Amino acid sequence: EVQLVESGGDLVQPGGSLKLSCAASGFTFSNYWMHWVRQAPGKGLVWVSRIKTDGSRTNYADSVKGRFTISRDNAKNTLYLQMNSLRAEDTAVYYCAKDLHDVGMDVWGQGTTVTVS
Amino acid sequence: QSVLTQPPSVSAAPGQKVTISCSGGSSNIGNNYVSWYRHLPGTAPKLLIFDTNKRPSGIPDRFSGSKSGTSATLDITGLQTGDEADYYCAAWDSSLSAGVFGGGTKLTVL
Repeated sequence: EVQLVESGGDLVQPGGSLKLSCAASGFTFSNYWMHWVRQAPGKGLVWVSRIKTDGSRTNYADSVKGRFTISRDNAKNTLYLQMNSLRAEDTAVYYCAKDLHDVGMDVWGQGTTVTVS
Repeated sequence: QSVLTQPPSVSAAPGQKVTISCSGGSSNIGNNYVSWYRHLPGTAPKLLIFDTNKRPSGIPDRFSGSKSGTSATLDITGLQTGDEADYYCAAWDSSLSAGVFGGGTKLTVL
């Protein structure tokens, strides 16, 4: 079964750091670009970041650029999101997603909750 | 303020057709593919349409996508009460070098 499972969400103080993980199974992880998408309470989906198959290329939303770092370990089939200098507005459910094409993401995790307060 | 603009809500009766619009610009919809998602709070979003008009396996042909210029649309025919959800469009923005979502449209099946 194709599956993504996020972990690492927690309550953290403003200015703090947190690292999210996303464990992939059921598909060849190293063949696919991967994304992070978030949803703040009562708000819509917001794209956060993406990473190329081999980790050589990354992109970020302006709101997280310079504070968040996306990375991957293809040997461990795991995607990461290192979040530094966290702000209250980073409070959200964070989803990892497998890229099908462009921002067509066909497999999503169940989400992990980050609360900055 | 989302880069892509969607109506906050749409509604229609069971069995009818509804169209959800998504307006952008030349740096996103105008020159890139559009995807559409269905999302129920507390669950994982579901891909309905990718590459503007393609359906992933398992998505019924009641769902169709298209675009014209810098606007895209998602059509849902034969509405069912189970279609009630939030619907989002998304595209790559070449100027921002980032993905962008619309603000979401809440579909109510009356």
